[in-house]
Amino acid sequence: EDKVVQSPLSLVVHEGDTVTLNCSYEVTNFRSLLWYKQEKKAPTFLFMLTSSGIEKKSGRLSSILDKKELFSILNITATQTGDSAVYLCAVDTGTASKLTFGTGTRLQVTL
Amino acid sequence: NAGVTQTPKFQVLKTGQSMTLQCAQDMNHEYMSWYRQDPGMGLRLIHYSVGAGITDQGEVPNGYNVSRSTTEDFPLRLLSAAPSQTSVYFCASSYHRTGNSPLHFGNGTRLTVT
Repeated sequence: EDKVVQSPLSLVVHEGDTVTLNCSYEVTNFRSLLWYKQEKKAPTFLFMLTSSGIEKKSGRLSSILDKKELFSILNITATQTGDSAVYLCAVDTGTASKLTFGTGTRLQVTL
Repeated sequence: NAGVTQTPKFQVLKTGQSMTLQCAQDMNHEYMSWYRQDPGMGLRLIHYSVGAGITDQGEVPNGYNVSRSTTEDFPLRLLSAAPSQTSVYFCASSYHRTGNSPLHFGNGTRLTVT
């Protein structure tokens, strides 16, 4: 059974801190790994990673994939209160067009 | 630029009632899907469609039906609601099968079955 595990489950940091969110996976067929941010409603797309070792970056957010060790990290530098959300990791196994999601990491950024 | 639109936003049903959750997208996406999100379980795929007239089951299809008569619409039908179907339902679409382009999600429907 395909599995995606995220850690930590939740995290509270102060504004300005740097955080690292983890995502490990065990799947039968890997196609890509995706990160989403979910505030109150719809998950919104952050990154898609398909090749190992390549860093994707957007402003203060960055992500890297290690296909050998089967994990990805999402880094957020200089956190702001607007970064408070649940961050979801998903793996596309290319099987039946199905994304397997982790349960998410809830990040709270306090003043 | 509406994206993926879901209606209703909230719904309360009694056990045994049926209803349809509506989903429409205006991005000409081929692929559409329904997920449910439960605490501690992550998002789980219910049904999906790779194009008009084609549907298939996901991970948790029991108790749900779908149809795809047009590219834009992908309704989800609950045949006989059960308390276990209390959840938040998300419709999502993408231009190609996932892996080529990311899923775009609607804002969700919160369903309570009493």
